[in-house]
Amino acid sequence: QKEVEQNSGPLSVPEGAIASLNCTYSDRGSQSFFWYRQYSGKSPELIMFIYSNGDKEDGRFTAQLNKASQYVSLLIRDSQPSDSATYLCAVPYSSASKIIFGSGTRLSIRP
Amino acid sequence: DTAVSQTPKYLVTQMGNDKSIKCEQNLGHDTMYWYKQDSKKFLKIMFSYNNKELIINETVPNRFSPKSPDKAHLNLHINSLELGDSAVYFCASSQGDPANPEQFFGPGTRLTVL
Repeated sequence: QKEVEQNSGPLSVPEGAIASLNCTYSDRGSQSFFWYRQYSGKSPELIMFIYSNGDKEDGRFTAQLNKASQYVSLLIRDSQPSDSATYLCAVPYSSASKIIFGSGTRLSIRP
Repeated sequence: DTAVSQTPKYLVTQMGNDKSIKCEQNLGHDTMYWYKQDSKKFLKIMFSYNNKELIINETVPNRFSPKSPDKAHLNLHINSLELGDSAVYFCASSQGDPANPEQFFGPGTRLTVL
């Protein structure tokens, strides 16, 4: 089992709809969870992080965490074409010094 | 103003050559990293340094040698380049604090080995 798993996509969502991105992880001891966005040809940038079970909202983005199911998701409301990118789920393991990234989900918002 | 910078941005070279990539961060972070991102976009950690000390060394060929002259710099030297080394290499830094493990990435170096 991979340490951090994501569907590679592409996930195609119409503009204005909700995009739902999912991630599962294997280390039950993980305490924090990150979502990075990476535009084509650019470097990853952090858009959301979550530490506690439940939902965390930031503008159009909502991160959802379920530690019992080892599942973290990212919802993007009112999707815009500028949201088209690869979204990487990231989980620190053992210490803050090692973050394991998922393989990323490519999201495409169609006008 | 650039927080994490890398040079060069592009590197095209022949198989068998030796090349270096440089990284600098001005965020005052203690921990720096090298990642390799292959053509399938999978971002995999190679090395991590904390205050000039190697703390993570994933299964990477000996041809790759990181060097950290001070905590603001982490360079990557690659000997005897192979076709499979072609990828984008990202440098990153973080505070190394479990309470704040966010990593900041450089712009990447696209290495093409011919």
